[in-house]
Amino acid sequence: DGGITQSPKYLFRKEGQNVTLSCEQNLNHDAMYWYRQDPGQGLRLIYYSQIVNDFQKGDIAEGYSVSREKKESFPLTVTSAQKNPTAFYLCVSTGGPGTQYFGPGTRLTVL
Amino acid sequence: AQSVTQLDSQVPVFEEAPVELRCNYSSSVSVYLFWYVQYPNQGLQLLLKYLSGSTLVKGINGFEAEFNKSQTSFHLRKPSVHISDTAEYFCAVTGAGSYQLTFGKGTKLSVIP
Repeated sequence: DGGITQSPKYLFRKEGQNVTLSCEQNLNHDAMYWYRQDPGQGLRLIYYSQIVNDFQKGDIAEGYSVSREKKESFPLTVTSAQKNPTAFYLCVSTGGPGTQYFGPGTRLTVL
Repeated sequence: AQSVTQLDSQVPVFEEAPVELRCNYSSSVSVYLFWYVQYPNQGLQLLLKYLSGSTLVKGINGFEAEFNKSQTSFHLRKPSVHISDTAEYFCAVTGAGSYQLTFGKGTKLSVIP
């Protein structure tokens, strides 16, 4: 079955550390997105990629980085420059209008 | 660019009562509209979507929504709620020709026994 996966489900980070969140899809989708969710804030776009080896900043890209070396994979790195990284992170892939697929999410907590 | 306003952050309602969750959007282009539901510590699940055609859209779990272009609204309704409907609901929009979703801040629906 096709789908989109994220790992790990829970992640703990010490202050000053970089961490990488995984997002993989086997839907053959070109476009992939990373959103951050905070209580009462809805979902805000961090980065997105519409083709391999290309990506663009979203509304809150500061302190994050991404890569898109393969169509199936769009990892997100939360760097030490992100001052408030504790949040729920959602990855989305899409092949066209109304065909967005959401991953199950990763909850990142800074200790 | 698009934006979405969910007019109520929290909606309490008694079990078996009707409910309406309000959503207004702004956009300079034609839009596609979506409602998603999120249960605690889970990802988002699509309830329903409007791409074109009939303005009354039926979704899963007995929910429906009506696209009103003149009022730029896409309100979500259910005639009789159940305890299991307790969750957070998000309205989202994309511009036609774009796949990028813009979300509202969410409405927490609490169903009271």
